Amino acid sequence: GEDVEQSLFLSVREGDSSVINCTYTDSSSTYLYWYKQEPGAGLQLLTYIFSNMDMKQDQRLTVLLNKKDKHLSLRIADTQTGDSAIYFCAEKAQGGKLIFGQGTELSVKP
Amino acid sequence: DTAVSQTPKYLVTQMGNDKSIKCEQNLGHDTMYWYKQDSKKFLKIMFSYNNKELIINETVPNRFSPKSPDKAHLNLHINSLELGDSAVYFCASSQDLVGNEQFFGPGTRLTVL
Repeated sequence: GEDVEQSLFLSVREGDSSVINCTYTDSSSTYLYWYKQEPGAGLQLLTYIFSNMDMKQDQRLTVLLNKKDKHLSLRIADTQTGDSAIYFCAEKAQGGKLIFGQGTELSVKP
Repeated sequence: DTAVSQTPKYLVTQMGNDKSIKCEQNLGHDTMYWYKQDSKKFLKIMFSYNNKELIINETVPNRFSPKSPDKAHLNLHINSLELGDSAVYFCASSQDLVGNEQFFGPGTRLTVL
């Protein structure tokens, strides 16, 4: 089946690291994604990882993939107030469609 | 230049009306999608088209009819609008069915009264 799970809320202090976790069920997924949605806005593609990779780093963002446990995480280093948003994990499924998690609302306190 | 654009951004209408949402991408992509985001922020695929051909219809009521006049456009027509259709509708596109990046439009907030 196709299912993606995330915790709903995360609160951190400015300057700390944030880690958002995600689990998925479809082991045949080729790509896994992280999208950011600010209030009233669309979905911004932050980063993605190919399923044969363990890690991908892009400036303050680090994605870790544990394929055995079907676990994906997004680490944001030096979290800023502008990082406050909802973060969606997604897996690519048949026909190119994305299966999204429920979204994790990240709150960054000064 | 906006890569994936949608019009209108907001749409307020009465139950029973028929309305359309337009989507255009200028990325030269072959594949386009419609997603629905409900009031709890949950995102779900509705349709996908590849080269103007319907690929996915995710058990959406037949009141919803997508139309792709060319590869750059995928419009969504909704007949006999119901209260439960109130949501944010996102258009997206990718290079093709196996393409690694999928880009989203800004969304259309539909409110049915």
